[in-house]
Amino acid sequence: DTAVSQTPKYLVTQMGNDKSIKCEQNLGHDTMYWYKQDSKKFLKIMFSYNNKELIINETVPNRFSPKSPDKAHLNLHINSLELGDSAVYFCASSQDTGAQGSPLHFGNGTRLTVT
Amino acid sequence: AQSVTQLGSHVSVSEGALVLLRCNYSSSVPPYLFWYVQYPNQGLQLLLKYTSAATLVKGINGFEAEFKKSETSFHLTKPSAHMSDAAEYFCAVRDTGGFKTIFGAGTRLFVKA
Repeated sequence: DTAVSQTPKYLVTQMGNDKSIKCEQNLGHDTMYWYKQDSKKFLKIMFSYNNKELIINETVPNRFSPKSPDKAHLNLHINSLELGDSAVYFCASSQDTGAQGSPLHFGNGTRLTVT
Repeated sequence: AQSVTQLGSHVSVSEGALVLLRCNYSSSVPPYLFWYVQYPNQGLQLLLKYTSAATLVKGINGFEAEFKKSETSFHLTKPSAHMSDAAEYFCAVRDTGGFKTIFGAGTRLFVKA
């Protein structure tokens, strides 16, 4: 059973389009995250939700909008895609909100290529 | 603000040699510290974590790391490298009571036959 699953695995699209990435976790965790990994492998946190409530919202263009319909799902919608949005987007989850230092569990990533 | 510095973007060792990947952190409060490994086209997997219980932490695949507060370091070691250890390794820090996990820039480990 895949613990954190993302779809699609690959996404190729043109500039200006709108696209969504979906994430689901079956670990029963209460916190979910979106990270962006650039071409140099640098990982940057974008958003985090705890029990459907947004708790981290980093300096991300407002073209990016996360949505959490329930605590097992966290989706990412991107409007008006730009070349610089090309990256690998990782979904992750953790059991706590920081107090116990629980590690992150990552999905396998969505490689977004904007042409 | 918390931060993580990994010394060396690339490390190359021979099979059977010692692996040492360096990580220094900056945090205003006692942190939680982690090492993750990323294989090609995969997500990150936890290798080990430090949560103040013991300064020497053992992880999976024979890796271990030692927390040294005086040096603000959390270096990752493995006595004998295996070809399958070739991957990208990330050190990460998370403040106690905080929500964010901040990652270092990563170190690519190459293992030569």
